[in-house]
Amino acid sequence: QAVVTQEPSLTVSPGGTVTLTCGSTTGAVTSGHYPYWFQQKPGQAPRTLISDASNRYSWTPARFSGSLLGGKAALTLSGAQPEDEADYYCSLFYNGARGVFGGGTKLTVL
Amino acid sequence: QVQLVQSGSELKRPGASVKVSCKASGYTFTSYNLNWVRQAPGQGLEWMGWINTKTANPTYAQDSTGRFVFSLDTSVDTAYLQISSLKAEDSAVYYCLRGGFGAVLDYWGQGTLVTVSS
Repeated sequence: QAVVTQEPSLTVSPGGTVTLTCGSTTGAVTSGHYPYWFQQKPGQAPRTLISDASNRYSWTPARFSGSLLGGKAALTLSGAQPEDEADYYCSLFYNGARGVFGGGTKLTVL
Repeated sequence: QVQLVQSGSELKRPGASVKVSCKASGYTFTSYNLNWVRQAPGQGLEWMGWINTKTANPTYAQDSTGRFVFSLDTSVDTAYLQISSLKAEDSAVYYCLRGGFGAVLDYWGQGTLVTVSS
């Protein structure tokens, strides 16, 4: 079974920029994997941030952007805010029908 | 507005079964599929599978144990997750998530905590 890889933890300064990545053990991540990004704060349900690698939702702050970069999906946070401290998960779909989450990245804003 | 409201917390003995519900409102139920995701305490998210709300056809994660069953009652716009032969390692928060497979994933239920303990 494919494994989706993410950085376990990252730290960003308030107002700074950080990029989280999402890779696959099967090879390059493409748009055909329909990459998603989710944010989860302690004690809360996850919230969907980015669909299909780069599409924001109406509730997604503009400081979050998604892309495909160097064979991985990437989530870039520009101008980090204290409220962005959270766990971030990506998901990829394989064979069009089965999803796999990454292990998550714990983002600290410090 | 779109809402997915899940049933309340459950405490079950090992070997028992549990049925978690996810009631949808604010949209046409059969226009969006539903996914099930679980999160063990202190752990990451695990995709369990999805159910086609038009056909009721389920697709389970590749490593699914066969103890999970997804079902629907379209008369009350509700999806169900039943887990049989519960084990301690099934203790987790279970979420429903709307969309996928023709529509974007978007709204989440609030989660249902299932605790399996003797």
